[in-house]
Amino acid sequence: QKEVEQNSGPLSVPEGAIASLNCTYSDRVSQSFFWYRQYSGKSPELIMSIYSNGDKEDGRFTAQLNKASQYVSLLIRDSQPSDSATYLCAVLYNFNKFYFGSGTKLNVKP
Amino acid sequence: GAGVSQSPSNKVTEKGKDVELRCDPISGHTALYWYRQSLGQGLEFLIYFQGNSAPDKSGLPSDRFSAERTGGSVSTLTIQRTQQEDSAVYLCASSPQTGFNTEAFFGQGTRLTVV
Repeated sequence: QKEVEQNSGPLSVPEGAIASLNCTYSDRVSQSFFWYRQYSGKSPELIMSIYSNGDKEDGRFTAQLNKASQYVSLLIRDSQPSDSATYLCAVLYNFNKFYFGSGTKLNVKP
Repeated sequence: GAGVSQSPSNKVTEKGKDVELRCDPISGHTALYWYRQSLGQGLEFLIYFQGNSAPDKSGLPSDRFSAERTGGSVSTLTIQRTQQEDSAVYLCASSPQTGFNTEAFFGQGTRLTVV
């Protein structure tokens, strides 16, 4: 069984702060990692993908990957109330199956 | 189409009835995935298609569940003799191909309620 672990939260941050979301995974051979955002009652929306060790930035979002530690994180800078959602970490196994964590609920307080 | 389309959006069915859920992937996407999400839970993998073939059916919960894909496009997930524990949101996703840098995009889901 391939495990993807996330803290369920909720993680509460004030508006304008940095939100840090973390994910660990069990399978060392996994090569591809993703962050999805899911608003309540909606389907997951892809926001970031990362394949190499280090940081990848896209606007206010930065994904960080450390394959040696089997750890991937998502930083959201200048958090906005509209960022309040559940963030799902996904790991691609064997190039054809996505395993998802149970998600971290983020609350950004105005 | 512009995105992954699923129908119906909502389905209420009586226990013991059969249901069919439809997924129309993004045009040109060869890979298609079905997931299930119970209330407040993560995504549970059900099945994946590459073209019309299903190399991995390992996530189907029981033999009451089946899925097919025709023409490398539309997929149907069928649940026979529905049970209350089948109540969940069924999500379909598609990706351009399988491989290292593939990305999957989800439809809006079908909310199934078995009463």
